[in-house]
Amino acid sequence: GAVVSQHPSWVICKSGTSVKIECRSLDFQATTMFWYRQFPKQSLMLMATSNEGSKATYEQGVEKDKFLINHASLTLSTLTVTSAHPEDSSFYICSARIKTGGFNVEQYFGPGTRLTVT
Amino acid sequence: AQKVTQAQTEISVVEKEDVTLDCVYETRDTTYYLFWYKQPPSGELVFLIRRNSFDEQNEISGRYSWNFQKSTSSFNFTITASQVVDSAVYFCALRESAGGTSYGKLTFGQGTILTVHP
Repeated sequence: GAVVSQHPSWVICKSGTSVKIECRSLDFQATTMFWYRQFPKQSLMLMATSNEGSKATYEQGVEKDKFLINHASLTLSTLTVTSAHPEDSSFYICSARIKTGGFNVEQYFGPGTRLTVT
Repeated sequence: AQKVTQAQTEISVVEKEDVTLDCVYETRDTTYYLFWYKQPPSGELVFLIRRNSFDEQNEISGRYSWNFQKSTSSFNFTITASQVVDSAVYFCALRESAGGTSYGKLTFGQGTILTVHP
């Protein structure tokens, strides 16, 4: 099956700094990538949808100036948490979509990135 | 708006017991997909099953089985003869069918923490 990687797998940063998380589709081209956030013992919540070559679409309540998403190529999307604060500590998971034809799509999840802001 | 409800927050069973995880969904779409994912302590989501709204056949895969009932908007998951390795968080999810740039985004339930004791 298709593989999606994320880097780093975990990161600790100081409050006020920025952190970049990469999401790569290793063996397929992903026209769309999704970024989810999962707080401890909670569900996954969609943050934004990232389409190659265009601006990301953010879900209600997600600050687009704080969570910068760049989908520069068909295999790479990045999420930058700017001026991170402890409340941004979370598990960030990306998902890449591949269209297999017609109505059908396949979606693959990355392994996640655990961010801790101290 | 779509919604997925997993009413069971936590379930604890003893090994070899059967356990059913409930999932109820709401959607206005007539065409949609339902999913179950397993999230072990490592955090990486493991895909278990995908079912489209036109296929109400129940499915069995080894010790896993799924019961899809469109009439009650439920998609329940049963593990037969549970094992300690089944301990994880299980998520039910719904995917919208509408087109557009957000096509493919998943709405997750709150998750059910399953603990199987030896």
